[in-house]
Amino acid sequence: EIVMTQSPGTLSVSPGERVTLSCRASQSVRSNLAWHQQKPGQAPRLLIFGATSRAPGIPARFSGSGFGTEFTLTISSLQSEDYAVYYCQQYSDWPPVTFGQGTRLDI
Amino acid sequence: QVQLVQSGPELKKPGASVKVSCKTSGYNFRTYGVAWVRQAPGQGLEWMGWISGYNGDTKYTERLQGRVTLTRDTSTDTVYLEMRGLKSDDTAVYYCARDQLVAAAMDYWGQGTLVIVSS
Repeated sequence: EIVMTQSPGTLSVSPGERVTLSCRASQSVRSNLAWHQQKPGQAPRLLIFGATSRAPGIPARFSGSGFGTEFTLTISSLQSEDYAVYYCQQYSDWPPVTFGQGTRLDI
Repeated sequence: QVQLVQSGPELKKPGASVKVSCKTSGYNFRTYGVAWVRQAPGQGLEWMGWISGYNGDTKYTERLQGRVTLTRDTSTDTVYLEMRGLKSDDTAVYYCARDQLVAAAMDYWGQGTLVIVSS
């Protein structure tokens, strides 16, 4: 099973700041990596697939990068609606699909 | 528009079974799969399994194999999750999500179904 490790666990940031979230895979997942956003009481929402492609309707301030074992989600200028938990997900070697433990963005 | 609508909350006793439904609409059911993901209170996301809308092929996480069964009804474009031998640590919100015909990035999610296991 591929283990996904996200860092940091929690990040305190202010609106307008640039934010970088990290995700590491225990073995290569090539570009088979997605990022999901989850707000309290809501289902997750797909932000990024294929490591770098934004899902339809996702604002351009969200971008993904990386290949193999190291990945990054960047929010170029944090908006108030971006405070949430972010999960990375690998779908390279399955079953099982695996998620990181999440990074929470706090004010 | 693509929608996945799940059945309502459930309260079950330890040892019981639960069956959660996920009715899909707005896309060609047979050209996608559906994954199930659960989230215990205050915890992260755990992938449980996947079913092909095309031929009903299934994949499960080893951790739950033997206790979980995924089925589909192509006449109503509905997918079902059945879980047996419920334990208190199965208390969670259960989500279905549209996936591809192999596992990929889940692009549309149901609203979630809360299952509480308590005596």
